[in-house]
Amino acid sequence: DVKVTQSSRYLVKRTGEKVFLECVQDMDHENMFWYRQDPGLGLRLIYFSYDVKMKEKGDIPEGYSVSREKKERFSLILESASTNQTSMYLCASSSYRVPYNEQFFGPGTRLTVL
Amino acid sequence: SQQGEEDPQALSIQEGENATMNCSYKTSINNLQWYRQNSGRGLVHLILIRSNEREKHSGRLRVTLDTSKKSSSLLITASRAADTASYFCATAPYGGSQGNLIFGKGTKLSVKP
Repeated sequence: DVKVTQSSRYLVKRTGEKVFLECVQDMDHENMFWYRQDPGLGLRLIYFSYDVKMKEKGDIPEGYSVSREKKERFSLILESASTNQTSMYLCASSSYRVPYNEQFFGPGTRLTVL
Repeated sequence: SQQGEEDPQALSIQEGENATMNCSYKTSINNLQWYRQNSGRGLVHLILIRSNEREKHSGRLRVTLDTSKKSSSLLITASRAADTASYFCATAPYGGSQGNLIFGKGTKLSVKP
C-alpha cells in the first residue's frame, strides 16, 4: 500500500523558532510537493521537487525553504516561524513515469505558531 | 495560482440523494482530477479524466468534462453519511510544469443520515 508520512500531526511552535516539517514517501516517486491549506483559500503550492537536490518555487515560497537530500524525503523549513504561518501543511508525491498522474498525500501537519 | 473554482462552496443533502459538484477552470488542460478530503486529513485521489474524454465512471462517481466550457462536474449517486467530506478538483495545465496540479478551493459536502 502506497504511503506518504509526515513527521507530526500537530505541532506548536513559538514565533521566531526554526521549524522542520518532514515528509517521507515509500513509492520511489520522483516528484514531491509541499502545500499549505487555509480556510477559504484551498491548497497553495509552496515548493516542489522533481529530483534529489532539485527544488522549484511554487506560488507562495516566501518564508519557507526546502531540502531534498534523498529521493524519499522532502523537508519543509520555516527559518523563523511567524504567526501567519499557522496553517495545515500537506505533503504529496507523484511519479513522472505516468505524466500528470495522481498525487498521493500525507495526513497533514497542523502547525500553530504562537 | 488557483485555477479550479468549485461550486457550490457547501452542499447539504440527505442520505440517498445525489450530490453534484461543479468545477470551472481557465486554461487548457491535460487532465482534470477530483480529490476527497475528510476533516483534518490529507487528500485522496478519486478519479482522473483526460482532456479527450467526456465522461468517466467509478462506482458511485460520475465525472463529466466539457473542455469548450472549461468545466467539469462530479456526481455522487445514492450518497451515504460516509461521503461527508470536502471535494476538490485539480487541473494539470497543458504545457505546465511536470507533475504540478492546480487545486480549487473545494466543495464541503454534508450528508445527513
